[in-house]
Formats: sequence, structure tokens, C-alpha cells
Amino acid sequence: GAVVSQHPSWVICKSGTSVKIECRSLDFQATTMFWYRQFPKQSLMLMATSNEGSKATYEQGVEKDKFLINHASLTLSTLTVTSAHPEDSSFYICSARELRDSGEAFFGQGTRLTVV
Amino acid sequence: GQNIDQPTEMTATEGAIVQINCTYQTSGFNGLFWYQQHAGEAPTFLSYNVLDGLEEKGRFSSFLSRSKGYSYLLLKELQMKDSASYLCGVMDSNYQLIWGAGTKLIIKP
Repeated sequence: GAVVSQHPSWVICKSGTSVKIECRSLDFQATTMFWYRQFPKQSLMLMATSNEGSKATYEQGVEKDKFLINHASLTLSTLTVTSAHPEDSSFYICSARELRDSGEAFFGQGTRLTVV
Repeated sequence: GQNIDQPTEMTATEGAIVQINCTYQTSGFNGLFWYQQHAGEAPTFLSYNVLDGLEEKGRFSSFLSRSKGYSYLLLKELQMKDSASYLCGVMDSNYQLIWGAGTKLIIKP
């Protein structure tokens, strides 16, 4: 299957700082990218959907000013957690899909964020 | 509302067969996914069903009945490494993926 690379795998940051997570599709052009977060023992929760060149569509309850998503190219999307707080500590996962409206989505390896 | 139901936890024996069920109620349907997730890792793709019937891939098979809003993942010749959570996800009419809470599968020797 196609490869989606997410970086970093884990990061520890201080409260109040910002953290950027990158998601790259290595062997295909990702028209659509999804960002999820997962709390321990819970299901994946969709945070936002971004189509290349467009503003991300955020799910209800997700602060768009806190979780900045940029999808400027067909192979790269970034999620920036601004002014991070301990409650933002979670597992963040991206997935990418070649087509806008259909097809299999491939997941990145995930990023474990710990805010201290 | 949209809902995906799957059992919280299942236990099976090494070498045996296990079936993990998933029922769904969504606004439209554009396919059903099964993913495997080991603790602390991202999910990995197992299968995608959009038409009714059984799809077989080695030890894993996935079945879909759209009229019943039902799918199952069948794992044969269970191995200890199959201990993981199995996530059922449905793509709705807006092409959004709706996820179940996952089924934790415990394999015993």
C-alpha cells in the first residue's frame, strides 16, 4: 500500500509552546488529508479534513485557532498545536487519500504529544 | 445520529478462528474499513468493502451486508501477534469516516 510518513513520532513540549506535526504522502498525491486524535482507550476522533489548497473543515468542538492545519501541497499537511496545554497531550494521527471523495485512506505512524 | 457498534473485547485461543462483528447506522454509505491497531501505534489497513459479499486476504476475511448494515472481520489460524484492537470504520455520504470504538482482541496460548 501507499506510504504516509508522519513526523515526529513523539514529542514533549512545555505548556504554552507550539508544536508542529508533519504528514507526508511519499508515493502518491494526497488530495485529502484527515487529522485525528486518540485519547487512551478511546476511538479515533476526527479533528479536521483538509483538501489541498483549501481551508480545513473542522469538526464540531475542535478549535481551529488552536489546531492550525495547512495543506499547501499534494504531499504535505501540517498540524500545529498552538499554546499547548497538558490536556492537549494525546496521540495525533494523520491519514491521506489520493482522491477527494473516495478510496482507501492510508495512515501515518502517529505522533504522541506530551505537554508538561 | 450516526452509530457504529462493535464488541468492546473478545478473547480467543491461538490457532483458532474469531469473528468480530460490526453494525452501523450512518447517513449514506461509501464503504466500510477494517483497521488493526496495536497499543501505542497507528492503525494499519486490513480491508475495504463497498459491495456485498466476502473479501478474503490470507488469514483475514471481511464480509459486508449493506441491507443489514452489518460487517464482520474473520481471523483464521490466530497468532499471538494478532492481539490488538480492531477498528470498524464507515464512510458516510459526505465521505467522512465514522469510527467504532474498536474491539480489543486477546489471544491466549
